[in-house]
Amino acid sequence: GAGVSQSPSNKVTEKGKDVELRCDPISGHTALYWYRQSLGQGLEFLIYFQGNSAPDKSGLPSDRFSAERTGGSVSTLTIQRTQQEDSAVYLCASSSRYSTNTQYFGPGTRLTVL
Amino acid sequence: ILNVEQSPQSLHVQEGDSTNFTCSFPSSNFYALHWYRWETAKSPEALFVMTLNGDEKKKGRISATLNTKEGYSYLYIKGSQPEDSATYLCALPFNLNSGGSNYKLTFGKGTLLTVNP
Repeated sequence: GAGVSQSPSNKVTEKGKDVELRCDPISGHTALYWYRQSLGQGLEFLIYFQGNSAPDKSGLPSDRFSAERTGGSVSTLTIQRTQQEDSAVYLCASSSRYSTNTQYFGPGTRLTVL
Repeated sequence: ILNVEQSPQSLHVQEGDSTNFTCSFPSSNFYALHWYRWETAKSPEALFVMTLNGDEKKKGRISATLNTKEGYSYLYIKGSQPEDSATYLCALPFNLNSGGSNYKLTFGKGTLLTVNP
């Protein structure tokens, strides 16, 4: 079956512009996660959705970052007024209901802010 | 903050060599440990989920062990091949909610394995 997909795969933008990153999780997965990996760093948690609600937004680095999920499916991560430190690979993952279940990752969006 | 340490940071081996690397974590409040393999330009791929002290898991030439009392897991690759070249990540759940359903993962920085032909 189809895995997690993300778009775009690469995004180059200018400092100060807004960007939207999209994630299509595996059909039927109720949980959706956003992570990012900055250069030289480990994968960093950003936000978690259970259905359409986000019980844990603790990883969002600033109020320029927001995310939504609609219909219990597609999620969009929006970064407003991008800064150079936002450059990273943004990964989305989804999993089914139970807590030990594996998280399945998409291929990521590589964001470069000039 | 959950501190997940992986060592070494990078490793170069020759084709055919066997190798292993380590993931260390706080032994208190252990719930589960995940190993992932991340090849460049691809999605991280789940290798193992380990939950019990003494667990051993195997997938082809790759295996993993878990010691929750002392807070470490080893990943072993037997007879490394160039296609094993990737970053190997371990991750543990953090802030498990009271309902026990779903959680975020805290990742180590990974071990970058390069297998030379």
